[in-house]
Amino acid sequence: NAGVTQTPKFQVLKTGQSMTLQCAQDMNHEYMSWYRQDPGMGLRLIHYSVGAGITDQGEVPNGYNVSRSTTEDFPLRLLSAAPSQTSVYFCASSRQGKAFFGQGTRLTVV
Amino acid sequence: GQQVMQIPQYQHVQEGEDFTTYCNSSTTLSNIQWYKQRPGGHPVFLIQLVKSGEVKKQKRLTFQFGEAKKNSSLHITATQTTDVGTYFCAGQGGANNLFFGTGTRLTVIP
Repeated sequence: NAGVTQTPKFQVLKTGQSMTLQCAQDMNHEYMSWYRQDPGMGLRLIHYSVGAGITDQGEVPNGYNVSRSTTEDFPLRLLSAAPSQTSVYFCASSRQGKAFFGQGTRLTVV
Repeated sequence: GQQVMQIPQYQHVQEGEDFTTYCNSSTTLSNIQWYKQRPGGHPVFLIQLVKSGEVKKQKRLTFQFGEAKKNSSLHITATQTTDVGTYFCAGQGGANNLFFGTGTRLTVIP
């Protein structure tokens, strides 16, 4: 049982480049979410989804897009990377409120 | 928006000393969860508290939920080096979104 799988683990982007962070879960959870973690700021919610075909914005959605075509996958797209998006990104899936996190993606934008 | 404040931000203790972190919300919470993140790792669910005044124990860890359901605490008795990490509280809001506190980073000095 893999749980929540995120790829890649590390990524360096140049300002203006786009990329997709992948997230997949095999627990058949309806709720999935993306967070970014910055020093001293905890985890902040970027986007979330309560089921396939349904997505919504969290606290810090600007510069990010998401889609949820299947229950299993919830990719996060950076449209035009900026240095302010340098962070550690965590994907999570939840059941009855309990969140299961992926291993994280450490993204650096130069 | 919902805000969850957590103190202290950092705590250094000698091995064997006790440790407490406190969490306060600006609004009444339906429940509160606690997570632990080891250095370089991802958040891992510890516990969920739902009832007003609830107290739960996990070995040396004691979790409390305030009577007004706006604050919570995590107390570790006789810390060990394995307790090192950052402890986050998280309040649950609408659509089952989790709003995380800023975390308390615990260092245990052998």
